[in-house]
Amino acid sequence: DQQVKQNSPSLSVQEGRISILNCDYTNSMFDYFLWYKKYPAEGPTFLISISSIKDKNEDGRFTVFLNKSAKHLSLHIVPSQPGDSAVYFCAAINTNAGKSTFGDGTTLTVKP
Amino acid sequence: DAGVIQSPRHEVTEMGQEVTLRCKPISGHNSLFWYRQTMMRGLELLIYFNNNVPIDDSGMPEDRFSAKMPNASFSTLKIQPSEPRDSAVYFCASTLWGTSGSLGELFFGEGSRLTVL
Repeated sequence: DQQVKQNSPSLSVQEGRISILNCDYTNSMFDYFLWYKKYPAEGPTFLISISSIKDKNEDGRFTVFLNKSAKHLSLHIVPSQPGDSAVYFCAAINTNAGKSTFGDGTTLTVKP
Repeated sequence: DAGVIQSPRHEVTEMGQEVTLRCKPISGHNSLFWYRQTMMRGLELLIYFNNNVPIDDSGMPEDRFSAKMPNASFSTLKIQPSEPRDSAVYFCASTLWGTSGSLGELFFGEGSRLTVL
């Protein structure tokens, strides 16, 4: 039973356009959500997060949206840059339990 | 500041051999996690420790896998005997959990790539 799902294994966009990465979850106990970025041969690095009491969090070119009723979150990157090409992992936490559950990742390719 | 340090970065071994992966978390962090990344299963949690105590090991595949955290600055993940299906990248991550302002952002090491022939 996969509690965090990223249904798109890959996404390709043109430089300067918007990238939208999606994530769905099933466990209603999750109350904190994070996105991580991973380059080849490196560990994932934290990108942006959102608490369940919010529906939007913005940090520069990156915005995360949360739709609690749909159990869905998305990461928007505007404008996309070639350096954004990486694998993006969605993660969810039940802050009472303390462990992060990850999706399978989406490979983003930004073409120059 | 040093990040999470994992060793070895690469390990190639033969089926049946014992493998030990090592992790040094960030100083001051109180929670440590072991994850495994494979093509088929994404990033899956194997075990995590809080204040050196194993909290949840439900992700450990089977008895061939064991993990220890003898002190706050060191953890090991051992596979004995190893099998080809254990081939994956193993990540260690740490965080400061349970304090004001900390909501569990994980800091990952660079991973240990294991190949079992």
